[in-house]
Amino acid sequence: AQSVAQPEDQVKVAEGNPLTVKCTYSVSGNPYLFWYVQYPNRGLQFLLKYITGDNLVKGSYGFEAEFNKSQTSFHLKKPSALVSDSALYFCAVRDIKAAGNKLTFGGGTRVLVKP
Amino acid sequence: ETGVTQTPRHLVMGMTNKKSLKCEQHLGHNAMYWYKQSAKKPLELMFVYNFKEQTENNSVPSRFSPECPNSSHLFLHLHTLQPEDSALYLCASSQLTGTGIYEQYFGPGTRLTVT
Repeated sequence: AQSVAQPEDQVKVAEGNPLTVKCTYSVSGNPYLFWYVQYPNRGLQFLLKYITGDNLVKGSYGFEAEFNKSQTSFHLKKPSALVSDSALYFCAVRDIKAAGNKLTFGGGTRVLVKP
Repeated sequence: ETGVTQTPRHLVMGMTNKKSLKCEQHLGHNAMYWYKQSAKKPLELMFVYNFKEQTENNSVPSRFSPECPNSSHLFLHLHTLQPEDSALYLCASSQLTGTGIYEQYFGPGTRLTVT
């Protein structure tokens, strides 16, 4: 079975400061990992994914994520947060052994960037 | 925006009503998904359709009945719902062919209120 944990329900940062949203995963094989963002009254928007290769993945809106196999983590980062980054962030995993394209999502982390 | 549209965006229905949610994707994908998003459980996968065939029913009550007439359209038929069914219902689609690993694209959701 595959699972994802986002240990923080909420993260608060000041605008201009670095932002980190944590995610850890559990799969039986190698993982495919995804980050999504949800703005108020909107659906989820894809930010980035890790499939294989370079452990540092760059995505949309200046976000990046670092895959760490030994720590089974895939933390989302942004060097300088903007107020407009305030949203709900979801980490998701797909087991390489799973059929189809089913994703398992974490519980979400609400990010609040203060001016 | 993402190529996945959902109608209606808002729906209020009584417990004895019958209504349907509609999802349409304009991306040429061949997998479609229904999710339920509520405050208690942020993202619950309900149903998965691959090439118009239902491949997953995640123990969803029979008062929710999905229909996938073709790869571009997905419906969720609702009848005799309960107040606890009030939530945001999200539709998503993804590619499912080839050797690539494909992200899911989400619609904006239907905000359902059961009175």
